[in-house]
Formats: sequence, structure tokens, C-alpha cells
Amino acid sequence: DAGVIQSPRHEVTEMGQEVTLRCKPISGHNSLFWYRQTMMRGLELLIYFNNNVPIDDSGMPEDRFSAKMPNASFSTLKIQPSEPRDSAVYFCASRLGVKGAPNTGELFFGEGSRLTVL
Amino acid sequence: KQEVTQIPAALSVPEGENLVLNCSFTDSAIYNLQWFRQDPGKGLTSLLLIQSSQREQTSGRLNASLDKSSGRSTLYIAASQPGDSATYLCAVRDQAGTALIFGKGTTLSVSS
Repeated sequence: DAGVIQSPRHEVTEMGQEVTLRCKPISGHNSLFWYRQTMMRGLELLIYFNNNVPIDDSGMPEDRFSAKMPNASFSTLKIQPSEPRDSAVYFCASRLGVKGAPNTGELFFGEGSRLTVL
Repeated sequence: KQEVTQIPAALSVPEGENLVLNCSFTDSAIYNLQWFRQDPGKGLTSLLLIQSSQREQTSGRLNASLDKSSGRSTLYIAASQPGDSATYLCAVRDQAGTALIFGKGTTLSVSS
């Protein structure tokens, strides 16, 4: 398996521009997570999907952030308009929930998308 | 609210030393705990996953232990090598939520 695939790996944009980050989870995994990593705050959960349905978006910082999962093999995280404080590495991760023990599966991460907003 | 702390933040050791990385969490009601490794500019690689019913897990030179009652986990690395240099992150999945909550990591440097 190719693992969790994220694109782009690097994005440099100017303040006010729209940014779209993409993620392809591991085939067969039914949970998908978006995390953000900064030096100051470490890894923070932004949003979590289970079977393509958003379950917990309490970590999404503002209305400028939105995430979708139109099918089991694709998710997007969009920032519109982007601001310099959004600069961070954004990680996507996926997990196979085990029947009867949905929260015990191992989490697998992609390589991340490094976003710089000037 | 669950909080995960890792001490020390950074550690430097000579090659061949055995070492222990520490992780503590505030709420002992967890489903599992997972240790990750992160190389600079890379994603997170899962090292070990310990379910709440388990006391320890081993993989090669790595051994992770879990003491739920005291809210602690340790990652033991035997006979350290320069290739072990990386940031090691601890994360817990608690029963109040479904996602992993991460510590800020311990950055390990092993010199040859």
C-alpha cells in the first residue's frame, strides 16, 4: 500500500489567497483526520471524519477553514482567505476502525503539506 | 481536558547508550497510547501501539510500557544508534474523544 498521500508537499502563497490541501487515505480505512503542526503548539487536531461524515470539527480555528470528504478515498482542507498565521505543516492521517473496538486502531500519517503564507 | 507531556524536550546521548523517553497524561481513562517517530521535514511513523489492557509492547530495540493508573508511559531504546536521531512523539486516545492527543515530543540526538 502507498500509505496516506498528501498534496501539495509545499505551498507558498500570499495572504488572502485560497489554499486547498488534498489527502488520499489508505484504502479501506474508514476514519480520516486533519492535524496541524507548529513549533509553538505542536500537533493539533483540526477535524475528524468517520465513514466520510465529519464527526468533530471543534479544532477548526475559524470559518476560513473548511474540510470535505466527498468519498472514502479523498479529502480536502481549504483555507479561504489565507493569513500568515496559518503557516504550518498540515498532516492527514487515516485509521481502520475495528468492529466492536472502533477507537483502538493504529493511526497512519501522510508526509504533510508545508504551507507558507506571506 | 486531556493533556500529554513529554520530558525531556531534548536529549543528546553517545552511540550505544540505552535510554528512556517519558510521557505523562492527565486523564487515565484512555483507549490506547501510540509512540511515533518524526524525522525532520517528514511525517510521523508509528512505532508502537499499546492498548489500554496491555502493559507493554516491544519491537526490535524498542520497548514501550504503559501504567494507566499513574498516567505514564516510557519508551526504552536499547543500544542507541545515530539513525535513531529524530523527534519521538507520544499520543493518547482517551475515552472522551476519538482522535489522538499529542505531546510536543522529545528530540533525540545520538552521536557516533
